[in-house]
Amino acid sequence: AQKITQTQPGMFVQEKEAVTLDCTYDTSDQSYGLFWYKQPSSGEMIFLIYQGSYDEQNATEGRYSLNFQKARKSANLVISASQLGDSAMYFCAMREVFNNNDMRFGAGTRLTVKP
Amino acid sequence: ETGVTQTPRHLVMGMTNKKSLKCEQHLGHNAMYWYKQSAKKPLELMFVYNFKEQTENNSVPSRFSPECPNSSHLFLHLHTLQPEDSALYLCASSQNIGQGRAFFGQGTRLTVV
Repeated sequence: AQKITQTQPGMFVQEKEAVTLDCTYDTSDQSYGLFWYKQPSSGEMIFLIYQGSYDEQNATEGRYSLNFQKARKSANLVISASQLGDSAMYFCAMREVFNNNDMRFGAGTRLTVKP
Repeated sequence: ETGVTQTPRHLVMGMTNKKSLKCEQHLGHNAMYWYKQSAKKPLELMFVYNFKEQTENNSVPSRFSPECPNSSHLFLHLHTLQPEDSALYLCASSQNIGQGRAFFGQGTRLTVV
């Protein structure tokens, strides 16, 4: 069974600094996708960034980048130049393309940006 | 802008009530999902629909009954719920199962009293 692990229940970062949120995954499939979502207090899950298992370059989307280390099965999210509005829950998710098409989520990390 | 709309946003119901959650997507997606998010637990996938057909039921109790009349609408019918069913229920859609990212609605915060 696929498994997503986020080991940091909570993280603090100073405004304007960078922060890394950890995510490791477990899969026997070769084709899969990795996702990061942000969930503010309003409840909506906001898509941030996607990395395909065959992508050779790390994904980047504005201030978000994904540090993809396939051999280690890790997909850490890096947020640069943190803003107060970045305070939220962050979820890592994975979808296996062939074995299981459902998107499974980690337990999440609560990020708090301090002014 | 999410393209996925859930109603109601908040719902309080007694254990003997019957209520329904509604989800609507205007993205032309073929796959729709119900997730349950309880406090201090990962999101739990409940149901998956692809082209209006249910493809997965993750051992969800029968007091939760999904309905997908067309690719744009998804319902979750609730009856005789328990207090432990109180949670945030999130609807999502994607282009097809296994393809693309999921777009989420804002969720329905359900409280069972």
